[in-house]
Amino acid sequence: GNSVTQMEGPVTLSEEAFLTINCTYTATGYPSLFWYVQYPGEGLQLLLKATKADDKGSNKGFEATYRKETTSFHLEKGSVQVSDSAVYFCALSERQRAQKLVFGQGTRLTINP
Amino acid sequence: KAGVTQTPRYLIKTRGQQVTLSCSPISGHRSVSWYQQTPGQGLQFLFEYFSETQRNKGNFPGRFSGRQFSNSRSEMNVSTLELGDSALYLCASHPPIDGELFFGEGSRLTVL
Repeated sequence: GNSVTQMEGPVTLSEEAFLTINCTYTATGYPSLFWYVQYPGEGLQLLLKATKADDKGSNKGFEATYRKETTSFHLEKGSVQVSDSAVYFCALSERQRAQKLVFGQGTRLTINP
Repeated sequence: KAGVTQTPRYLIKTRGQQVTLSCSPISGHRSVSWYQQTPGQGLQFLFEYFSETQRNKGNFPGRFSGRQFSNSRSEMNVSTLELGDSALYLCASHPPIDGELFFGEGSRLTVL
């Protein structure tokens, strides 16, 4: 079945550091890929997405590129801020089943000033 | 535009009881999905409803059930609660055309 594996946390960085959170997937066909973020006490918010190979999703300084050859969708940000502290989830959905997401285990990110 | 609303936000039950959670989707969204979030298993898909019909179901026992009403509001029910059912239950709604899922803040269930 489909699955998502992401880098285990927690990850602690200093403000303005470079961030990478690794995500790889296993899926049949051509899934859509997502990064969701969960701030303390809140639900999930979509951070960015990509729907086909070589697409780059970007939002709020975060980027991720859909790499079919390596089945990866790594999240990057050039300069993190304290406000980026949250739990980040990589996820995929099958075509035509956008409502059924398969999530990675989540990576807790803490940014220190 | 109001977001996805889930009630109650917090509740405590004891083993063997049952619980009903409610979700009001964003206006105009007819698809509602439910997810369970636990520290051990992470986020897992429970089921999805569209126009009052269950379209997809995750790998959960029959104690977990749901329904959707004509106004798109959805409820999920867990019967004969077990300690392992303690979790954050998240509801998400989906627009009529392709787009992202919008999640509510969740209902945190504690089973004692």
